[in-house]
Amino acid sequence: AQSVAQPEDQVNVAEGNPLTVKCTYSVSGNPYLFWYVQYPNRGLQFLLKYITGDNLVKGSYGFEAEFNKSQTSFHLKKPSALVSDSALYFCAVRDGGFKTIFGAGTRLFVKA
Amino acid sequence: EAQVTQNPRYLITVTGKKLTVTCSQNMNHEYMSWYRQDPGLGLRQIYYSMNVEVTDKGDVPEGYKVSRKEKRNFPLILESPSPNQTSLYFCASSPMGLAGGRQYFGPGTRLTVT
Repeated sequence: AQSVAQPEDQVNVAEGNPLTVKCTYSVSGNPYLFWYVQYPNRGLQFLLKYITGDNLVKGSYGFEAEFNKSQTSFHLKKPSALVSDSALYFCAVRDGGFKTIFGAGTRLFVKA
Repeated sequence: EAQVTQNPRYLITVTGKKLTVTCSQNMNHEYMSWYRQDPGLGLRQIYYSMNVEVTDKGDVPEGYKVSRKEKRNFPLILESPSPNQTSLYFCASSPMGLAGGRQYFGPGTRLTVT
């Protein structure tokens, strides 16, 4: 069965510092991996996806994610955090079928 | 503007009173899905649809029904709501051309069942 784990409920980082939000997954077959962001009282917005190809994926708002097949991880990164990046981040996996599994979410706080 | 719309945005109802949350997309997407979001549990998939008249259960389908009579609409029906269905609900759509396509989400419907 598919599963997604976001081991940190919350990540705190100072503005200007690099940030990492962790995600590990379990899926049979090739994974299709996604990151979404949710701002307060808003729906989810797409950040980036990995389907195939380069392990480093670049997305919206300066975010990127690194796919690591051996560690079954897809960590979200940004070189320099902004206060406006503070939000709830979700990792999601699809196994090539039609079901999607989301992680529990990680709340990111960026302090000025 | 390409978008997914949901109505109503907020709903307070009583146990057992049937309700429908509508979802509509204007992007001609084949795939549509419903999720519920609960604190600490992330988003859980309720039902999804691959095209008109084709639907299947997600991970938490109990107590919900869906229909897909038109490509653009995918209503979520709660025949007899219960308090444990109090949640934030999201509808999403995506094209089917690539199985790993990103999903476009609606603004959410906050449902309270008393």
